[in-house]
Amino acid sequence: DSGVTQTPKHLITATGQRVTLRCSPRSGDLSVYWYQQSLDQGLQFLIQYYNGEERAKGNILERFSAQQFPDLHSELNLSSLELGDSALYFCASSVGKGRWADTQYFGPGTRLTVL
Amino acid sequence: DQQVKQNSPSLSVQEGRISILNCDYTNSMFDYFLWYKKYPAEGPTFLISISSIKDKNEDGRFTVFLNKSAKHLSLHIVPSQPGDSAVYFCAASDYNTDKLIFGTGTRLQVFP
Repeated sequence: DSGVTQTPKHLITATGQRVTLRCSPRSGDLSVYWYQQSLDQGLQFLIQYYNGEERAKGNILERFSAQQFPDLHSELNLSSLELGDSALYFCASSVGKGRWADTQYFGPGTRLTVL
Repeated sequence: DQQVKQNSPSLSVQEGRISILNCDYTNSMFDYFLWYKKYPAEGPTFLISISSIKDKNEDGRFTVFLNKSAKHLSLHIVPSQPGDSAVYFCAASDYNTDKLIFGTGTRLQVFP
């Protein structure tokens, strides 16, 4: 158990809909990261928040947005969903700002299926 | 553009033997490398890392080797155990970025 929790575990929805994925970081961790893993793909970095502020952005679509709240939990919002958005979405957390030596701890992921 | 490549999607090794997982990268700015292990239905877990000032880092049965001139790193597991069966991801980063770039993973199966 990494200490990072993600809800829901599974999500099935239809194209055009909007969903929210939730992540609670490990106690004491200030950074939260979101990753997408599509079938047979590596983990694609989407976005990072540090202590409530956006810190780094990766290959995140404009239809996707995220935020980190004062209690440090984070939400990833996916809108106007397309079939290709079906993937595993992982959240990770780390103590610091995420510079290269800062170990990231991953949650179990949310499996999103768009029908 | 895949900056971190794991060209072997799968590897099968007998218990007790050595497992060697390979990773190549293209970005010469990468100076920190990590291996993560992932079991089904779980998130990736950190395994071992190496910075570019070293060419080898060892932790128990796991050793990572870095060849900067070839832009290649490898993870050696000796001896391999059935519990090592998982997907292994290589990841890289550089000092100027907060992003980890992951490879596509290698599925290791250790059989008795």
